[in-house]
Amino acid sequence: DIQMTQSPSSVSASVGDRVTITCRASQGISSWLVWYQQKPGKAPKLLIYAASSLQSGVPSRFSGSGSGTDFTLTISSLQPEDFATYYCQQANSFPVTFGQGTKLEIK
Amino acid sequence: EVQLVESGGGLVQPGGSLRLSCAAFGFTFSTYAMSWVRQAPGKGLEWVSAIHSDGSAYYADSVKGRFTVSRDNSKSTLYLQINSLRAEDTAVYYCAKYGSLAVALFDHWGQGTLVTVSS
Repeated sequence: DIQMTQSPSSVSASVGDRVTITCRASQGISSWLVWYQQKPGKAPKLLIYAASSLQSGVPSRFSGSGSGTDFTLTISSLQPEDFATYYCQQANSFPVTFGQGTKLEIK
Repeated sequence: EVQLVESGGGLVQPGGSLRLSCAAFGFTFSTYAMSWVRQAPGKGLEWVSAIHSDGSAYYADSVKGRFTVSRDNSKSTLYLQINSLRAEDTAVYYCAKYGSLAVALFDHWGQGTLVTVSS
């Protein structure tokens, strides 16, 4: 199975800050990397697919990059509604696997 | 508008069974692969199962042999039969729709249904 490791596990930041979350796959997954945002009590929401493609309706302050084993999610200027937990997921092969999550908290 | 509505969760004793349903609206259900993803209380996301439009099914090792995914395209409904339930199966179970790339990325999710396994 492909293991997905996110870092950091949690981060504190302020509105307007730039934040980067990293995700590492235990083996190469080409660009089959997905990012989701989840708020408490809600279902996950697709943000980025194929490592860098922005899902329709997602603000342009979100961006993704990477290929192979190392990926990043960047939020260029944090907004109050961005405080949530973020998960990466590999879509390269079964079983599908998720990172453990990164909780983005208000400083 | 795409909508996924899960049902069938509840409290069940260890060793028991449940059948979860996910009713789909707003897209041509028969042409999309679907998946189940669960989340234990306070924990991260765990993929459970997927079923493609041709009926081919895939499972996480943790549920293989106990869970069965199926679909009824005439009813636009996805199912998950869960047997031999264990305490560690306690979770919110989400159904999720594959995106148009036909790979396991999930562009729409249901609201989830809670399964609690306890005596």
